[in-house]
Amino acid sequence: AQSVSQHNHHVILSEAASLELGCNYSYGGTVNLFWYVQYPGQHLQLLLKYFSGDPLVKGIKGFEAEFIKSKFSFNLRKPSVQWSDTAEYFCAVNAGSDMRFGAGTRLTVKP
Amino acid sequence: SQTIHQWPATLVQPVGSPLSLECTVEGTSNPNLYWYRQAAGRGLQLLFYSVGIGQISSEVPQNLSASRPQDRQFILSSKKLLLSDSGFYLCAWRREQDEQYFGPGTRLTVT
Repeated sequence: AQSVSQHNHHVILSEAASLELGCNYSYGGTVNLFWYVQYPGQHLQLLLKYFSGDPLVKGIKGFEAEFIKSKFSFNLRKPSVQWSDTAEYFCAVNAGSDMRFGAGTRLTVKP
Repeated sequence: SQTIHQWPATLVQPVGSPLSLECTVEGTSNPNLYWYRQAAGRGLQLLFYSVGIGQISSEVPQNLSASRPQDRQFILSSKKLLLSDSGFYLCAWRREQDEQYFGPGTRLTVT
């Protein structure tokens, strides 16, 4: 079964700093890739997804992610974070019917 | 539009008691259904998923079980709860080649 690794458990940034959260997966076949966000006290919601085509995917709220097949990676980026981006971020991989999530990265943005 | 319901929202149960958490989906047919447990620092742990009525795949051997008696109903059960079963349980649904949609979750406390 595939697995998902998120390297950073907790990231602390100041507003306007750039963000990159790492995500690697282990699966040799075709995968679909996702980033979800969970704001404090709220449900998980989708930030962006990759199924095929352009490996650079743009999502909501200025986030983007790049699928690098050779590195089995799908890192999340944002050029300039805001205080409202404080949340937990989850990378997820789908192959076939199952869907697996990483352990999550907690992002704290200082105003 | 599709909606997903989970109940109860919170539950406090003594060790050794049975458990039944229910999840229902409206507005779609033949969805893939999932149960996850979310724990701090461990992300979302996939417990069970189902691609159809009566079809259950178990990911983590433990004292929990799942059933899908109807197309849009997914039940998580236990005959005897353990302290370690405490956590936040999330139900989700998805169609093939699509993202997952999450329910509001059930906070289970085993005392």
